[in-house]
Amino acid sequence: EAGVTQSPTHLIKTRGQQATLRCSPISGHTSVYWYQQALGLGLQFLLWYDEGEERNRGNFPPRFSGRQFPNYSSELNVNALELEDSALYLCASSKGMGGSYEQYFGPGTRLTVT
Amino acid sequence: ELKVEQNPLFLSMQEGKNYTIYCNYSTTSDRLYWYRQDPGKSLESLFVLLSNGAVKQEGRLMASLDTKARLSTLHITAAVHDLSATYFCAVGRWNNNDMRFGAGTRLTVKP
Repeated sequence: EAGVTQSPTHLIKTRGQQATLRCSPISGHTSVYWYQQALGLGLQFLLWYDEGEERNRGNFPPRFSGRQFPNYSSELNVNALELEDSALYLCASSKGMGGSYEQYFGPGTRLTVT
Repeated sequence: ELKVEQNPLFLSMQEGKNYTIYCNYSTTSDRLYWYRQDPGKSLESLFVLLSNGAVKQEGRLMASLDTKARLSTLHITAAVHDLSATYFCAVGRWNNNDMRFGAGTRLTVKP
């Protein structure tokens, strides 16, 4: 069974540009989560999508947004990039909402803002 | 607000020794996870703990949960070099699937 996939692996942007990151969940998983892991910091929860809807959002500005498509894949968009947005962005998926559904993580996209 | 504290943040061990990583959290939670992350890699799930007194073991790692104390421990027995990695605990809630991660413990096992 294929795991969570993310693309691209690396992304280099300049300040002020927009970045789009993509995630494909494990087959059968309906929930997708996005996390930011900045260097030297822990994982910060960004967004949670399930069945095409945004279910929860972390403490990030509105320029971080995303969506989930009918096939449950997801996209994270970061507008007006700032230098501090440089981080590893991890996507995770789970079977559904609530309960003890375990989250499985993808390999991540490393975003560098210059 | 749910907060998760891990300690120590850095741990250097000799092979063959035992040690414990601690994870404290601030409010009631439904589940506690332990993950491993190798440098430049993603997170690998180690344990899921769902109830008070839960204990799970895999190889040289054993995790336990005390929901009354809001404390989970990850015990390492007779450490080997292959265990060198960063270990994260994460705490979640039933109603919003929001997981809060600890800062991570960077474990180095030396020969």
